[in-house]
This record gives sequence, structure tokens and C-alpha cells, in this order.
Amino acid sequence: KAGVTQTPRYLIKTRGQQVTLSCSPISGHRSVSWYQQTPGQGLQFLFEYFSETQRNKGNFPGRFSGRQFSNSRSEMNVSTLELGDSALYLCASSLAAGSGYEQYFGPGTRLTVT
Amino acid sequence: ELKVEQNPLFLSMQEGKNYTIYCNYSTTSDRLYWYRQDPGKSLESLFVLLSNGAVKQEGRLMASLDTKARLSTLHITAAVHDLSATYFCAVVRQGGSEKLVFGKGTKLTVNP
Repeated sequence: KAGVTQTPRYLIKTRGQQVTLSCSPISGHRSVSWYQQTPGQGLQFLFEYFSETQRNKGNFPGRFSGRQFSNSRSEMNVSTLELGDSALYLCASSLAAGSGYEQYFGPGTRLTVT
Repeated sequence: ELKVEQNPLFLSMQEGKNYTIYCNYSTTSDRLYWYRQDPGKSLESLFVLLSNGAVKQEGRLMASLDTKARLSTLHITAAVHDLSATYFCAVVRQGGSEKLVFGKGTKLTVNP
């Protein structure tokens, strides 16, 4: 069974630009969560989606948004990029929503903002 | 607000030695995870601990959970260089979503 895939794996953008990251969950998984990892703040929850609906959102500005499609694939978008947005963005999928389902992490997208 | 504290944050140890990483969390939790992360890589799930007194072992790593003390430990036995990595504990808030709250991680370096 294929794991969680994320594209692109690496990305370099300039301040002020916007970026879209993609995540394909494990086949059959319907819940997708996103996390940001930086050296300073560590791993922080961004948002989670289930059945195309955002269930929870972390403490991030409105520049960070996401969506989920009917095939459970998810995208996250960051507009007006700032230097501090440079991070590893990790996507995790689980069978369904709820704390009883383990999350499986993808390889991540390394975003560098210059 | 659920907070997760790990200590130590940095650990340098010699091969063959034993050590323990601690993970404290602030509120009642459904479950606790331990992950391993190699530099530039994603998170690899090591253990899922579901109930008080749970103990799981894989190779030289053993994890335990004390829900009353809100404490989990990751014990390393006879460390080898291949265990060098950053280890994270993560907690799921009881009654909440499956959102994970992570500790800051323990960077383990095992020296020959």
C-alpha cells in the first residue's frame, strides 16, 4: 500500500508570492492534517480536513488556508509569503476523523522563502 | 490548553549506555505517540500508547505510559550509533480531534 505522498518535495519562493502544496493520503484514508515544522517553533498543527470539511484549525494567520477534494487529496495554500514561513510542511492522513485513528506522515515539503 | 514537555532536549551518549527521555503533558489524553525523525526526513511512528501502564518495546527502545502522572518515558538500552535521531512525543487531547500536540523533541547523538 502506498504511503502518504506530498508534492513538491522542495520549493523556493520569494517573499510576497503564494504557494500551493499538495498531499495525497493513503488509499482509503479520508482525514488529512497539516503540520508546520520550524527550528524555532517545532511541530505545530495547521488544520485538518475530513470529508472535504475543515474540522479544526491551529493558531495560524489567515494567509494559511487549505482544502480537501472528494478523493481525499488535500492542498494547502500560503499567500503573501514571509521569511518566517520557511519550514518543513508535513501532511498526515488517517482512516477517519477522531482521536482513535493513528496519523501517518508523508515525507514533507521543504519550503524556503527568500 | 494541552502542553507537552520533553526533556532533555539534547542528549549525547556513548554506545552501550542506557538513558531515558521523559515526556510530560498537561491534560488528560486519549493516547500518546513516540516518533523518530532523521535529519531532513519525515516522522516515523515508533509507539502508540493507549492506556495507563502500557509498555511497548521494539529493539533497544521501550516506551511506557503513566496516565495518572501524565508522564511517558522512552528508555534506550545499550545505545548504538544508528539510534542517533530526534525523538518526539505527541499527545492527542482527550475528547478532542485527532490533532497532535508535539513536544519540542530530544536530539539524541550516540557516539562510538
